Amino acid sequence: GQQVMQIPQYQHVQEGEDFTTYCNSSTTLSNIQWYKQRPGGHPVFLIQLVKSGEVKKQKRLTFQFGEAKKNSSLHITATQTTDVGTYFCAGSQDNNDMRFGAGTRLTVKP
Amino acid sequence: DAGVIQSPRHEVTEMGQEVTLRCKPISGHDYLFWYRQTMMRGLELLIYFNNNVPIDDSGMPEDRFSAKMPNASFSTLKIQPSEPRDSAVYFCASSGRSTGELFFGEGSRLTVL
Repeated sequence: GQQVMQIPQYQHVQEGEDFTTYCNSSTTLSNIQWYKQRPGGHPVFLIQLVKSGEVKKQKRLTFQFGEAKKNSSLHITATQTTDVGTYFCAGSQDNNDMRFGAGTRLTVKP
Repeated sequence: DAGVIQSPRHEVTEMGQEVTLRCKPISGHDYLFWYRQTMMRGLELLIYFNNNVPIDDSGMPEDRFSAKMPNASFSTLKIQPSEPRDSAVYFCASSGRSTGELFFGEGSRLTVL
């Protein structure tokens, strides 16, 4: 079945450092979404990417969708303590339901 | 809009008991999803509905799990009998499309002793 792999599993950074999480699929995805889950909270939608090679920015966050539509990345510039949480990618194959990666848990040391 | 509403927020029960989790999706959303989150397995899709009809239940672990959506504003996920390995956070999410933005409820944390 469709699987979305995400790395790293954990990332600990010093405040001000950059952070990147990667998402890979063995099959071509029709679209990919990114979510953030704060500790004890629920996943909250960040963005959706649909086009091959697409790049979108939200303030310090940059999202990319690979040319082959099999991988994606989320990059945070100059992390802040408010960035703490788990970041999930979710991919869809053939416009069916979204399947989630395992998530990358980010901790930020002040 | 109040968002997706789930109940109960926390449930502690003993092995063998029946558990019923409830969800009220966002009004107007045609899709409703049930996910289970554990440390070991992450976020797993259990089942999803379109216009109250179950579309894909391949993620439902076994016959002990069942889900219903009797109308557009209510869904239940039932576990009978419950087992300790069912302990997890169960999320309900709704969306306007099968691959659209998912709006998650706050989850139901289930502990089976």
